[in-house]
Amino acid sequence: AQSVTQLDSQVPVFEEAPVELRCNYSSSVSVYLFWYVQYPNQGLQLLLKYLSGSTLVKGINGFEAEFNKSQTSFHLRKPSVHISDTAEYFCAVTPLGGYNKLIFGAGTRLAVHP
Amino acid sequence: DSGVTQTPKHLITATGQRVTLRCSPRSGDLSVYWYQQSLDQGLQFLIQYYNGEERAKGNILERFSAQQFPDLHSELNLSSLELGDSALYFCASSGEGYTGELFFGEGSRLTVL
Repeated sequence: AQSVTQLDSQVPVFEEAPVELRCNYSSSVSVYLFWYVQYPNQGLQLLLKYLSGSTLVKGINGFEAEFNKSQTSFHLRKPSVHISDTAEYFCAVTPLGGYNKLIFGAGTRLAVHP
Repeated sequence: DSGVTQTPKHLITATGQRVTLRCSPRSGDLSVYWYQQSLDQGLQFLIQYYNGEERAKGNILERFSAQQFPDLHSELNLSSLELGDSALYFCASSGEGYTGELFFGEGSRLTVL
């Protein structure tokens, strides 16, 4: 079975500051890794994904994430955040061959202040 | 706009009642997924259908059932509702392949009083 731990439930940050949202996972098999974002009153949308290859993955809106297999982590970063980045961010995994059944973390609420 | 449509957006009902949530996937997507989002349990995978057949099952209660119809739309039926069933229910769809990219609808917010 797989599990995902998002280490921070809330992250407050000032506009234009850098941010890192942390994600650790547990799995006995190889997995694909994802970050999804949920804006207020909306569904989730994919930010970025790691399937294979380069461990540094770039996504939409200037976000990037680094897969670290030895530490079983997939932290999300952005060098300079905007007010519009205020949202809930979810880390997720699915085992290879898992029919896209995503297992989500509890979410991290990113609050960007002016 | 993800292309996934869910109805109704909001639903208020009483304990013991039964409701049906409907989902139309993106055009061409064969897979439909149902997720429940609540404050205490987060996002929980309920069930997945692929081209009309159940493919994967998660933490779905026996009081809940789902199906996917020949036109690929899906319905989630919730019966004998309890207060704890109050949540946001998301439907998502995906195309061919196992890339983990799901396209989510805006959800159906169920309130059980």
